Amino acid sequence: DAGVIQSPRHEVTEMGQEVTLRCKPISGHNSLFWYRQTMMRGLELLIYFNNNVPIDDSGMPEDRFSAKMPNASFSTLKIQPSEPRDSAVYFCASSITNQPQHFGDGTRLSIL
Amino acid sequence: GQQLNQSPQSMFIQEGEDVSMNCTSSSIFNTWLWYKQEPGEGPVLLIALYKAGELTSNGRLTAQFGITRKDSFLNISASIPSDVGIYFCAGPGPSGTYKYIFGTGTRLKVLA
Repeated sequence: DAGVIQSPRHEVTEMGQEVTLRCKPISGHNSLFWYRQTMMRGLELLIYFNNNVPIDDSGMPEDRFSAKMPNASFSTLKIQPSEPRDSAVYFCASSITNQPQHFGDGTRLSIL
Repeated sequence: GQQLNQSPQSMFIQEGEDVSMNCTSSSIFNTWLWYKQEPGEGPVLLIALYKAGELTSNGRLTAQFGITRKDSFLNISASIPSDVGIYFCAGPGPSGTYKYIFGTGTRLKVLA
């Protein structure tokens, strides 16, 4: 079975550019989560959706960050404009409501 | 808010040794999850616990749901080099939310 699929796996871009991270959850899962992982702050929950509706975006660091889930099989996390401190590994995870989450392999983002 | 404290933060052990780590919560949980994250990958679910006192094994890994429901333990027997990674515990967020709270992780390094 296909797991959570994230793209790209690696992204290197210059400060000020727009960055779009993509996620395809596991088919049949109705909850989707975006996390950011850094050495300093560990694994942080940014935002999560249930049945395509954003439930809690209190973890989104700034207005430069936005996330959408236009349908049950696709979500994006966008950073505009990007800054060097946004450099991190971004994970997407999905689950059936309240069940354990399954993670993708992440997008390693470097902002120069 | 809810917090999960994992200890130790990191461990360096010799191949063949047994490993013990634990996770404590500031509040009662009805579910405990243990994940492993290998370098360059996303966290992978190892064991899920749903009942106080429950003891569950997955190969050389054994996890226990503490009787107080505020802690959980993970043991690895006869460690091997591929056990290296970060081990996370997780528990459900506040009632009515769909999220899980993740611990800060225990970094395990196995010396051959």
